[in-house]
Amino acid sequence: GESVGLHLPTLSVQEGDNSIINCAYSNSASDYFIWYKQESGKGPQFIIDIRSNMDKRQGQRVTVLLNKTVKHLSLQIAATQPGDSAVYFCAENTGGFKTIFGAGTRLFVKA
Amino acid sequence: DAGVIQSPRHEVTEMGQEVTLRCKPISGHDYLFWYRQTMMRGLELLIYFNNNVPIDDSGMPEDRFSAKMPNASFSTLKIQPSEPRDSAVYFCASSLGSGNNQPQHFGDGTRLSIL
Repeated sequence: GESVGLHLPTLSVQEGDNSIINCAYSNSASDYFIWYKQESGKGPQFIIDIRSNMDKRQGQRVTVLLNKTVKHLSLQIAATQPGDSAVYFCAENTGGFKTIFGAGTRLFVKA
Repeated sequence: DAGVIQSPRHEVTEMGQEVTLRCKPISGHDYLFWYRQTMMRGLELLIYFNNNVPIDDSGMPEDRFSAKMPNASFSTLKIQPSEPRDSAVYFCASSLGSGNNQPQHFGDGTRLSIL
C-alpha cells in the first residue's frame, strides 16, 4: 500500500493461523494504548484500545496484551484472514491529546 | 454515521502554488487533528484543535503551513507556497474528548504531489 515505509517490519502468516504483532512503546508514563489498521489507500482504522490499568483486553478475533514492566504491547489476531492484510500501528498516549504512532508492521496473509 | 471526510482525495500541483486541504470531522467530535504521512517519517502530528481553537501546532513544519477551524464542522490545512518535499498523504482525524482516552477516527486522506 501507499502508507508507510518500504522497510517496514513484515509478518507473513498462513490464512487461518494466528498472528501476533509486537510493539515496544517509548514512554513509561503513557496510560492509553491503541492499535490501528491501515489498508492501502485508506486512513488508519481503530481496532482496539487498552488503558494502563489493564493487561489484557479482547475484542472480536483480536486481543491486546500490555506489559508495562518492559513497555511492550502486542496485538493477537485469531484465525487470520486475507482481509487482515494491512499495516498495523500501535499508538501511545501520555495524559494529553498527543498520540505517538509507531512505525508500523505490515501483515501479509497467504491464502 | 458518516466518518471523517477529506477533500480532495488527490491533488497534483506545481511547486509554488497554494494548496488547500479540507476536512469535515465527525459530528459532535470536539478534537480535530491534522497528520502527515510519508515513507521516511511515518505518521506525524502537525496540529490539533479543541473546540475550534488550535492547541498545539508544534508539529507544523514551517510558516508555509497554516491551519484553521472556522467552525465545528470544517477545517483547512493550507500550504503556501508548496514545495516538492511537501508531497505526502495528509490525514485529518477527530475524536470525542472528555479526557485523553479516546481513539481518533481518521479520514481516508489527501494524497498530495508537488511537482
